[in-house]
Amino acid sequence: DAGITQSPRHKVTETGTPVTLRCHQTENHRYMYWYRQDPGHGLRLIHYSYGVKDTDKGEVSDGYSVSRSKTEDFLLTLESATSSQTSVYFCASGGRDTDTQYFGPGTRLTVL
Amino acid sequence: KNQVEQSPQSLIILEGKNCTLQCNYTVSPFSNLRWYKQDTGRGPVSLTIMTFSENTKSNGRYTATLDADTKQSSLHITASQLSDSASYICVVSFLYSGNTPLVFGKGTRLSVIA
Repeated sequence: DAGITQSPRHKVTETGTPVTLRCHQTENHRYMYWYRQDPGHGLRLIHYSYGVKDTDKGEVSDGYSVSRSKTEDFLLTLESATSSQTSVYFCASGGRDTDTQYFGPGTRLTVL
Repeated sequence: KNQVEQSPQSLIILEGKNCTLQCNYTVSPFSNLRWYKQDTGRGPVSLTIMTFSENTKSNGRYTATLDADTKQSSLHITASQLSDSASYICVVSFLYSGNTPLVFGKGTRLSVIA
């Protein structure tokens, strides 16, 4: 593991509530990513960051926002959680976008 | 559309046997191809990464091959161990606006049994 952690590891919440997931890396990687993983789908990119305060949308960004105020932290926010956002969320980081991505342990989110 | 297809979806083999997992992609323009191993309940871990000019790359008992002409890759596992039981994910990156987005396959679920 390349020093990347996620919190919380598990969360159950109700529809309509805001949720923030945190990713923390200690490798001074420039790039950070948020993915979701669902049965029958490969990992899908939600948002990514290529530097502090520099972020961009991924394939499935609707309903999600991100922020990166420090190199080591990347936050994913669900402004108003929906049941379709029940998933396992993975954070990843890497040096350049062509480099290996190192993944965190995942956060299992259940929206009731 | 950029896609990565993996086969088989799942595979069961006896401990000590070899196996080969397949990956076909339609991603263009190609940047690199990666194989990841994902244990149940954990994040993916990189096994190999290959660029256009590389035909093969090894990591211990794992050997990945790449044929960029036919857009196919394989991951060969030698002398399988129980700890090889995991999902193996093929990931292809492509060149887009100065970035290299990743396209993930759905994975092959490998079970190694004693």
